[in-house]
Amino acid sequence: NAGVTQTPKFQVLKTGQSMTLQCAQDMNHEYMSWYRQDPGMGLRLIHYSVGAGITDQGEVPNGYNVSRSTTEDFPLRLLSAAPSQTSVYFCASRGGGGGSNQPQHFGDGTRLSIL
Amino acid sequence: GQQVMQIPQYQHVQEGEDFTTYCNSSTTLSNIQWYKQRPGGHPVFLIQLVKSGEVKKQKRLTFQFGEAKKNSSLHITATQTTDVGTYFCASQGGSEKLVFGKGMKLTVNP
Repeated sequence: NAGVTQTPKFQVLKTGQSMTLQCAQDMNHEYMSWYRQDPGMGLRLIHYSVGAGITDQGEVPNGYNVSRSTTEDFPLRLLSAAPSQTSVYFCASRGGGGGSNQPQHFGDGTRLSIL
Repeated sequence: GQQVMQIPQYQHVQEGEDFTTYCNSSTTLSNIQWYKQRPGGHPVFLIQLVKSGEVKKQKRLTFQFGEAKKNSSLHITATQTTDVGTYFCASQGGSEKLVFGKGMKLTVNP
């Protein structure tokens, strides 16, 4: 049982480049989310999805796009990377649908540096 | 929006000491979840509290939900080096979004 899988684990980009962070889960969870973690800031929610075809913004959505075409996948896109987006990105999923208080399962994270 | 505040943000203890960390909210919470993140790792779910005044124990860790459901505490007895990491509280408050506190980073002096 793989759980939540994130790729890549590490990435270095130049300012202005675009890229997609991949996230896949094999637990048939409806709810998926993306967080960024910066020193002293905790985990801040970027975007989330309560099911295929449904996405919504979190606390810090600017500069990021998401889509949810399948239950399993929830990619995060940076259209034009900026140094302020240097961070560790975590994808998470939970079962039970919208409003559920089931625990979240996190991927191992993607460490992204923007030069 | 809903926020949960964690205090302290940093805690350094001697191995064998007890300590308590707190998670506070200005609004009533429907539930509170606690996660632990080891250095270089990802957050891992520890426990969830739902009922007013609820107390749950996991070995040397004791979690409590306040009577008014506006605060929670995590007490660690006889701290060990394996307890090192960052502890997060998180809550939904009725929405889909799970909002995390900024975390409490624990270091232990062996």
